[in-house]
Amino acid sequence: EVQLVQSGAEVKKPGEYLKISCKGSGYSFTTYWIGWVRQMPGKGLEWMGMIYPGDSDARYSPSFQGQVTMSVDKSINTAYLQWSSLKASDTAMYFCARHVDTSWYAALNHWGQGTQVTVSS
Amino acid sequence: EIVLTQSPGTLSLSPGEGATLSCRASQSVNNRFLAWYQQKPGQAPRLLIHGASSRATGIPDTFSGSGSGTDFTLTISRLEPEDFAVYYCQQYGSSPYTFGQGTKLEIK
Repeated sequence: EVQLVQSGAEVKKPGEYLKISCKGSGYSFTTYWIGWVRQMPGKGLEWMGMIYPGDSDARYSPSFQGQVTMSVDKSINTAYLQWSSLKASDTAMYFCARHVDTSWYAALNHWGQGTQVTVSS
Repeated sequence: EIVLTQSPGTLSLSPGEGATLSCRASQSVNNRFLAWYQQKPGQAPRLLIHGASSRATGIPDTFSGSGSGTDFTLTISRLEPEDFAVYYCQQYGSSPYTFGQGTKLEIK
């Protein structure tokens, strides 16, 4: 069974560093793109970007380029999303999700449970 | 960047009725790379349709997708109580892979 399990909720202060994780299991982790999606409180879904665990090739939405960094550690089947300096506006639920097939152009059919990030002074 | 506009914003219907949700793109979506997702409160989204008309694994045939170019439709033929949720379309034909703003399907 394909599973993506995300790290737990985080409460941080503005300016702090944060790295959240997404661990894949039940499939060949290095051959499927993983996407990251933001959902701000009471709002819709926003595609942040995607990363290919096989070679760490990452593509960012212009809205998130320079604001976050995606990475992977394929030795432990885990993808990461990190912020070097959080803002209050980063408060949101963050989902990782796997592409439905090995193509770059693919929908997201296996989702993590989400990681709630709260940034408040 | 392709902007997706979903309509209506809210749809009020009764169980047993049919629903038609629209997703319009600001420019043509390559190769019909258009997906539909369902999201219930407190849950992750669930893929319903990809490639504009292909149902994802385990999705009942009461859900169907159609369209091409800039106009796409999700049809639910007969609403069950568990179908009331928020629905999003997403295009993945050109980066960034954008989502629509969502349609809330509520019980009348």
